[in-house]
Amino acid sequence: DADVTQTPRNRITKTGKRIMLECSQTKGHDRMYWYRQDPGLGLRLIYYSFDVKDINKGEISDGYSVSRQAQAKFSLSLESAIPNQTALYFCASGEGATVEQFFGPGTRLTVL
Amino acid sequence: KNEVEQSPQNLTAQEGEFITINCSYSVGISALHWLQQHPGGGIVSLFMLSSGKKKHGRLIATINIQEKHSSLHITASHPRDSAVYICAVTLRGGSQGNLIFGKGTKLSVKP
Repeated sequence: DADVTQTPRNRITKTGKRIMLECSQTKGHDRMYWYRQDPGLGLRLIYYSFDVKDINKGEISDGYSVSRQAQAKFSLSLESAIPNQTALYFCASGEGATVEQFFGPGTRLTVL
Repeated sequence: KNEVEQSPQNLTAQEGEFITINCSYSVGISALHWLQQHPGGGIVSLFMLSSGKKKHGRLIATINIQEKHSSLHITASHPRDSAVYICAVTLRGGSQGNLIFGKGTKLSVKP
């Protein structure tokens, strides 16, 4: 089984809808991250969490919120989706500040 | 200016060729990562290094801290090496641990 899982893998929604992307990891890592990938821009950090009570904004947090329900679970919400949030979203986990990160398979989100 | 720059953006090679992908960065780092993203989208960590050289199979990664430069080499390339290769760094002194990414190099190896 994969160490980091994401659901759904693909989602098409309409402008204004609320969307939640879920991420789970079985590595027991303390740190979890949400990244967004756009063509030609590379991956960018949306939010990160050091533990259940520690949530931090990343480079592009506007329009997004997150919840760390447990050490293993980190969900990303789009309160009111807009077309420019169409992208590939990755969750990742890691232990400590300078170690390898493990990525989920990605969620392809399309906002019409 | 991007903090992490990769070259080339696109690379086409014939099977068996030796391939080099370059990464330059402009910030102080604690570690540099090479990642591989296959056409299906998934991202896999290939290497994490802070000095010297690492080798795994046909892949070799080197880093020169003084020159702020890293290279990823693929020997005896194969069509299954076709993927996007991404360089990323972890900032020195940063406690977040998040990665700052280059835009990737798309490699296509022809049989």
